[in-house]
Amino acid sequence: KNQVEQSPQSLIILEGKNCTLQCNYTVSPFSNLRWYKQDTGRGPVSLTIMTFSENTKSNGRYTATLDADTKQSSLHITASQLSDSASYICVVSPYSSASKIIFGSGTRLSIRP
Amino acid sequence: GAGVSQSPSNKVTEKGKDVELRCDPISGHTALYWYRQSLGQGLEFLIYFQGNSAPDKSGLPSDRFSAERTGGSVSTLTIQRTQQEDSAVYLCASSLEGRGPMNTEAFFGQGTRLTVV
Repeated sequence: KNQVEQSPQSLIILEGKNCTLQCNYTVSPFSNLRWYKQDTGRGPVSLTIMTFSENTKSNGRYTATLDADTKQSSLHITASQLSDSASYICVVSPYSSASKIIFGSGTRLSIRP
Repeated sequence: GAGVSQSPSNKVTEKGKDVELRCDPISGHTALYWYRQSLGQGLEFLIYFQGNSAPDKSGLPSDRFSAERTGGSVSTLTIQRTQQEDSAVYLCASSLEGRGPMNTEAFFGQGTRLTVV
């Protein structure tokens, strides 16, 4: 069964600190893995995308890594800002147009001043 | 429009009433998803439409929930005899069908916040 699991479920850190969010998946074969950011009261928005052949992808202070062998991905946030407070969702697309995209349940990140 | 549009943005209904939530996907997107998000919780899959294939209804929590997608475009999620536990944000997303790493990004609407009183 295709699954995406994220950890931790929630995280609180102080402004300026770094953090890493984890995503484990069982989707195979897969086409790509995306990290989405969902601000409170808004729909999720894509942050990064990685195909199975990519190991890392950066978007400003966000860096995503992918290990296709262990089926793990991480999202690292550097020098966190208050605006980083949001839910971060890991999404994996199977390599089949007949299969639906699989969403993780997300990590809720809170940045404290 | 350029994005996924959902209506209404907010809906307050009395327990026991039926409600209909609407989703207009991005033009040309053949895959459409409905998700539910309770306060402070992650996304809960409800139903998935892709092209002319039979929808994947495996996430619908009860037979009070149903959805249809007319003409491969607009979708309506219907909740009959609403209960207080149905209160949540209902999110719709669409994506472009097809293989390839750049074709499967899901674009989300802003959601419909449903409150059952």
